[in-house]
Amino acid sequence: TQLLEQSPQFLSIQEGENLTVYCNSSSVFSSLQWYRQEPGEGPVLLVTVVTGGEVKKLKRLTFQFGDARKDSSLHITAAQPGDTGLYLCAVTGGTSYGKLTFGQGTILTVHP
Amino acid sequence: GAVVSQHPSRVICKSGTSVKIECRSLDFQATTMFWYRQFPKQSLMLMATSNEGSKATYEQGVEKDKFLINHASLTLSTLTVTSAHPEDSSFYICSARKGSYGYTFGSGTRLTVV
Repeated sequence: TQLLEQSPQFLSIQEGENLTVYCNSSSVFSSLQWYRQEPGEGPVLLVTVVTGGEVKKLKRLTFQFGDARKDSSLHITAAQPGDTGLYLCAVTGGTSYGKLTFGQGTILTVHP
Repeated sequence: GAVVSQHPSRVICKSGTSVKIECRSLDFQATTMFWYRQFPKQSLMLMATSNEGSKATYEQGVEKDKFLINHASLTLSTLTVTSAHPEDSSFYICSARKGSYGYTFGSGTRLTVV
C-alpha cells in the first residue's frame, strides 16, 4: 500500500479553470511538502506545510494541511499553460536518514 | 542557496556496459544523498540512501550489486549502473538536504540502454 495516495493521477483542463489535487494518508505527519516537476528536470519545492489546518498561498496556488495532519490539498485558481507539469506531494520518513517519500503524482495539462 | 549538480544529463550506452552518474552538492556539504528512479509519467521511487564514508542503504527490491553507490566525499555521490540492460533505461535523479533549505534535487540523468 502507498504511504501517500494522490489524486487525480491525470488532469487535463482549459486555461482559466480551477483545479484541486489531493494527497491523503492514514498516517500522521509532522510536515508535508509539495513539489512541481517539469519534463527532464528534477522536482522543485513549492511549499512545506507544518501545522494542522495550515493554509499557505503562493500566487494562484493555495495549499492546505488537514487538521489531523494526515492529508493535504493543492488548489490552483485560473490555471495557466505555464502551470502544466507533474505535481507531487511528499513526506519525510520516520527514520534517521530523513528520506523523502512521494505520492504517485498528478500530471496536469493546461490547454490554451 | 542549496544547489545540486547532476552529470551527465543524458547518456546512451550499449547493453552490457556500465554507466556512472555523478551528483555534487555545489555550495554545501551533504553527508547524506538520495538516489531516485523515475519512469515516464510516474512518480519518483527512492532507490537508495547514500551515506558519506559508509555503505549505502538500499530500498527493498533494489539490487545493490547492479546499482553501485559511492559517497567518497561530502560533496560527491556516484551511482554506477553495472551491466546495463534496456530495462534499466529510466530517469535517475539525486537529491541532498541542506538544513532549513530542505531537499534539493539534481536535474536528472536520462539513461537509454540500447
